[in-house]
Amino acid sequence: GENVEQHPSTLSVQEGDSAVIKCTYSDSASNYFPWYKQELGKRPQLIIDIRSNVGEKKDQRIAVTLNKTAKHFSLHITETQPEDSAVYFCAASNNQGGKLIFGQGTELSVKP
Amino acid sequence: EAQVTQNPRYLITVTGKKLTVTCSQNMNHEYMSWYRQDPGLGLRQIYYSMNVEVTDKGDVPEGYKVSRKEKRNFPLILESPSPNQTSLYFCASSVGVGQPQHFGDGTRLSIL
Repeated sequence: GENVEQHPSTLSVQEGDSAVIKCTYSDSASNYFPWYKQELGKRPQLIIDIRSNVGEKKDQRIAVTLNKTAKHFSLHITETQPEDSAVYFCAASNNQGGKLIFGQGTELSVKP
Repeated sequence: EAQVTQNPRYLITVTGKKLTVTCSQNMNHEYMSWYRQDPGLGLRQIYYSMNVEVTDKGDVPEGYKVSRKEKRNFPLILESPSPNQTSLYFCASSVGVGQPQHFGDGTRLSIL
């Protein structure tokens, strides 16, 4: 079955720096890759997603890149702010199966 | 307001006492899913449903049951809870497979 590996598990950056979180997936049929942000004690919320027919997508300070050949995708956050501190999860699914498989999560800490 | 509502939010119970966690969405979503969240393991899918009367196993279905008799409701049933089911549970819904999922606020279950 599908497996999603996420790295690093923790990431600490200075305010204003960039942060990059990487995920790899095993099922070549996967075609939908969302990223969720979970603040402490809150529910996960979608921040950006990408589909397999696109290589990159941006939304203000957040971008996601996808390399289908290598089966990996990454989240890039530029000009980080303290409110970006949270746990970030990547996930992968395909339209046929119905399952959504999450990575283990990355705890991002942005220091003022 | 569009939302996914879970009840109860917190529950402490004992081994073997059947319990049900309810989940309801008001967005007319076809797809609904249950996840459990444990430290270091991310979100793991328990069961999902792509439509009324259609349910499928996720990655960790053992010890759980679900039903989807109506579009808006997707209860999670623990027939004989055990301590290893102590966890934070999230219900989520989306328009369909491979679409952004909206999460409920979570249910923290402690089984003694």
